[in-house]
Amino acid sequence: DVKVTQSSRYLVKRTGEKVFLECVQDMDHENMFWYRQDPGLGLRLIYFSYDVKMKEKGDIPEGYSVSREKKERFSLILESASTNQTSMYLCAIRQGPNQPQHFGDGTRLSIL
Amino acid sequence: GENVEQHPSTLSVQEGDSAVIKCTYSDSASNYFPWYKQELGKRPQLIIDIRSNVGEKKDQRIAVTLNKTAKHFSLHITETQPEDSAVYFCAASIMGGNEKLTFGTGTRLTIIP
Repeated sequence: DVKVTQSSRYLVKRTGEKVFLECVQDMDHENMFWYRQDPGLGLRLIYFSYDVKMKEKGDIPEGYSVSREKKERFSLILESASTNQTSMYLCAIRQGPNQPQHFGDGTRLSIL
Repeated sequence: GENVEQHPSTLSVQEGDSAVIKCTYSDSASNYFPWYKQELGKRPQLIIDIRSNVGEKKDQRIAVTLNKTAKHFSLHITETQPEDSAVYFCAASIMGGNEKLTFGTGTRLTIIP
């Protein structure tokens, strides 16, 4: 069974803070993704990674960066948090070529 | 880039009736179309997917149809039950390419007992 673990279910931070969201997978999958989910907007891709130290911008990368130093961990970084980054953040992995994506439980982030 | 539109945004049906959710996509190169179900407070979970080499796929009470010419695909749920109440998302991507998923905006389905 695919296991995608996000470090926090709920997180509250202040504007201007540097925020780290962590995602860990246990199956040595190469492809990992970060989405944000907002009401009425669906899921939008922020960044994704095909392998260690590799990253690609998604559709809404502004204000975010990512880090993938080890295969099992993909971190999303809010360089200077702003209130418009209050959202649900979902990590996903893809098991392999031509395989579907599977999601973690999400982190609900509030920026005050 | 790809754009996926999903309708309706909300849908209420009587228990036992059928529900249909429709999506259109813009990139004719897209060849993989998954559907995800998200119950309240839970992660999106894949319920069915279809690739562009087939026109229809069924799994018990759930079916998905694909019209490549018109660039639209639909989710059909028959004999609906209360546990079908959830938000459903369609998505499109190019398998064999960068495989980015582009999602629709979601449909909140409510089954009325």
